[in-house]
Amino acid sequence: DAGVTQSPTHLIKTRGQQVTLRCSPKSGHDTVSWYQQALGQGPQFIFQYYEEEERQRGNFPDRFSGHQFPNYSSELNVNALLLGDSALYLCASSGIPGNTIYFGEGSWLTVV
Amino acid sequence: GIQVEQSPPDLILQEGANSTLRCNFSDSVNNLQWFHQNPWGQLINLFYIPSGTKQNGRLSATTVATERYSLLYISSSQTTDSGVYFCAVERGSGGYQKVTFGTGTKLQVIP
Repeated sequence: DAGVTQSPTHLIKTRGQQVTLRCSPKSGHDTVSWYQQALGQGPQFIFQYYEEEERQRGNFPDRFSGHQFPNYSSELNVNALLLGDSALYLCASSGIPGNTIYFGEGSWLTVV
Repeated sequence: GIQVEQSPPDLILQEGANSTLRCNFSDSVNNLQWFHQNPWGQLINLFYIPSGTKQNGRLSATTVATERYSLLYISSSQTTDSGVYFCAVERGSGGYQKVTFGTGTKLQVIP
């Protein structure tokens, strides 16, 4: 049973560029959430997708956008990258909203 | 928004010692989970515990929702227990849930 998978594992981008991160949820899960974790901090909730709709959003600017596909996989897009966007980006999935959350290994983004 | 505070922020234990980590939250929540983050960044779910007590091997957790706190007990600690422990609370209903992580407790277990 595959867990939550994310890609890419590591990437380096230049300030001003755009990035797309991908996530496949754990088998049987239909809810996907994204988190940003800066060094030394706890994960910060970006948004949650359920039934292909953004259901909740944290305090992140519109530069952060996402999508959920019919197979429940998801993408996180960040436009106009800033140095402060450098962080570990975590994807999590659950069977239904409010159930146990499982995390992927994350995507390490460095903006230079 | 809801505030989630964890204590202590840092903890150093001798291998074999016991410890208690605390999570306080400022408002009512639907769910609470405890996670362990290893040095490589992987978050592992330890307990899904909106209320009551659960045990899993050397770990156990108790949530008293009415008093807005949760405790994670680690007994007979091992070096592999090192890492950061987070509690995370969830609020909302139906398909509209928002998760807030606590400030974390960094645990170091020394041989």
